[in-house]
Order: sequence, then C-alpha cells, then structure tokens
Amino acid sequence: NAGVTQTPKFRVLKTGQSMTLLCAQDMNHEYMYWYRQDPGMGLRLIHYSVGEGTTAKGEVPDGYNVSRLKKQNFLLGLESAAPSQTSVYFCASSYSTSGGTDTQYFGPGTRLTVL
Amino acid sequence: GQSLEQPSEVTAVEGAIVQINCTYQTSGFYGLSWYQQHDGGAPTFLSYNGLDGLEETGRFSSFLSRSDSYGYLLLQELQMKDSASYFCAVRSPFSGGYNKLIFGAGTRLAVHP
Repeated sequence: NAGVTQTPKFRVLKTGQSMTLLCAQDMNHEYMYWYRQDPGMGLRLIHYSVGEGTTAKGEVPDGYNVSRLKKQNFLLGLESAAPSQTSVYFCASSYSTSGGTDTQYFGPGTRLTVL
Repeated sequence: GQSLEQPSEVTAVEGAIVQINCTYQTSGFYGLSWYQQHDGGAPTFLSYNGLDGLEETGRFSSFLSRSDSYGYLLLQELQMKDSASYFCAVRSPFSGGYNKLIFGAGTRLAVHP
C-alpha cells in the first residue's frame, strides 16, 4: 500500500497563475482533507470531503477550490495564486471522523512558492 | 474562540524523559490526539485520548484531564530519532455532524547526545 500520495512535491508559481494539486489514497477511506502548514503555525484545514462527489469548506477556504470525482482522489485548485498562498500543503485521509478510527494519514506534502 | 497552547521548543538529552504540555480552549471537545512530524516529513499519528487518564504506547504516553482542559505527551528513554515537532490536536464538532481536528502550533523537540 502506498498510503497517501501527493503530486507534485514542489512547485513555484508566479502571481496569478493557476495549478492543481493531486492527492490519492489507496486505503478506501471515505474522508479526505486538505491542510496548509505555515511556519510557527499548526495545520489549518482548507477543505474536506466526506465522500465521493461531496466537498465542504474548512477554516481557510478562500482562494481554493476542490473536487472529489473519485473516492480515491482529492484535488486542490488554486485559480489565481497569490504570495499569501506560499505554504506547504498536506493532504490527509481517514476512515471516519469519530472515535479512535478517525486517525488521519498524511501525504508527504507539496511545497508551493508563489512569487 | 478556539485555541491550543503548547510550548514552542523543548530541549533534552538522550535517555532522559520529556513532557510536552497542551492546554486547549475549544467549542466542543471529543478527544485529544498527538502527531509527530520530522523536518521535511508528514505528520504521523502517535496517540489519542478520548477519556481522562493515561494511554501508554511503548516509550510514549499521553494523558488527558478534561476538567482541566489539559493534556500532555510523555516521551521516555529519549533517542536522537525523537527529535521532531509534536502537535496536539483537538477533535471538535464541525458542520454537518462531522468532526474536525484543530491543531496546535507544535513543539519542536531537540534531543542532544
């Protein structure tokens, strides 16, 4: 099992450019999440999905869109990148959101720089 | 508001014991988790406390006191490989009946020979 994978690992964008980050998991998890991590701060939830075809806003959703067309994939899009979106982006998945089974499994991260 | 407080840095020597504290203030609480993250790596799950008391997993233990809104992670017999950042995370209710994790800013642990 590969667990959670993310592509790309690194990316540099110019302000105003767009890009899509891809997350894939092979654990048959229902729940998937996108976080951003900035220096000195914990992980902040951008968007999440509770199942194929469903998405919802997290704590910091502005400037991002997501899609979950297949259960195993969760895409994060930046339509017009801004320097404030320079960050490390982590995707995670979990079996549920309650009880001890909601352990989140994280991908390796995507390091994005917006110039 | 919702906040988690944990020390930003802790230093210890190999073989020692270190305790990383976490206090929280959240609207709704179901449990406290701990995650470890090495530099350049992904967070990985360490432990979860849904009830008051101590949970032990090998060299690591985690404690929760719901009445005090407080928990800690205890690392024993420290090894160099334990140098990493440690995040406490509160499981809290979210919209639609689902739960979310609210992460603290992390504690950077440096283990020295």
